[in-house]
Amino acid sequence: SQQGEEDPQALSIQEGENATMNCSYKTSINNLQWYRQNSGRGLVHLILIRSNEREKHSGRLRVTLDTSKKSSSLLITASRAADTASYFCATVPGGGFKTIFGAGTRLFVKA
Amino acid sequence: DGGITQSPKYLFRKEGQNVTLSCEQNLNHDAMYWYRQDPGQGLRLIYYSQIVNDFQKGDIAEGYSVSREKKESFPLTVTSAQKNPTAFYLCASSPTGYNSPLHFGNGTRLTVT
Repeated sequence: SQQGEEDPQALSIQEGENATMNCSYKTSINNLQWYRQNSGRGLVHLILIRSNEREKHSGRLRVTLDTSKKSSSLLITASRAADTASYFCATVPGGGFKTIFGAGTRLFVKA
Repeated sequence: DGGITQSPKYLFRKEGQNVTLSCEQNLNHDAMYWYRQDPGQGLRLIYYSQIVNDFQKGDIAEGYSVSREKKESFPLTVTSAQKNPTAFYLCASSPTGYNSPLHFGNGTRLTVT
C-alpha cells in the first residue's frame, strides 16, 4: 500500500535555483522521513521530522510538516548538479513499525 | 566501516528457478527489511524482521521467503511462485524504534528470463 504521494513526479531546474517537493499521506504518522536515491543505488536518509515538529533544517535542506493537512515539503536551496537524484518521502504510520515509501520525485539540476 | 552489503549487484536467472539474495549488516541493528523497486516506482515492502528468529510479511510477500538466523544476515529467496520477479531489490536495517531512519544497501538487480 502506498502511503505517501510525492508531487511533482519530475522537476527540472537550473543550478542555483531552489527545488521544492511535496508529499501527502493518508493516515496518522509517528514521523516522516525524506530519502535520496541516485540512479541504480540504494536510498540515503536525509532528514526525519517527528509528528510533533513543524519545521526542520539540515544544511541546504528545509522540511516542513503539516499534520492537519497530512502533507510535508522538502526544499533544497541553491541547488547543484550533484543534487540530481530521486527524492522519496516515507512515513511510519501511527502505532505501526513499517516504513512506507511514496513513488518519489525525480529532480534534474542543469549545470 | 559499518554498512549494509548486498550481493551480487546483478543476478540473472531462468524462469522457474529459485534464487537467494544476500544481505549482511555490521551496524548491530536489530531490524532488517526487504523492499522491491520497479522502474520509476517507489519501494514496496516484502518482509521485515525486528529481531532474530522472527519476521513478518510486508505488503507483497507472496512468492518470497526469508530467514533471520543471525542478527547480521537477512537473506531473501525469490521463488518460482513469484509471477514477476524482475526488479531492483533493496535491503535495509535500522535500530529498534519507530523514530529510527533506515540504512540501505546498494541493491541487487534481478533479471529473470
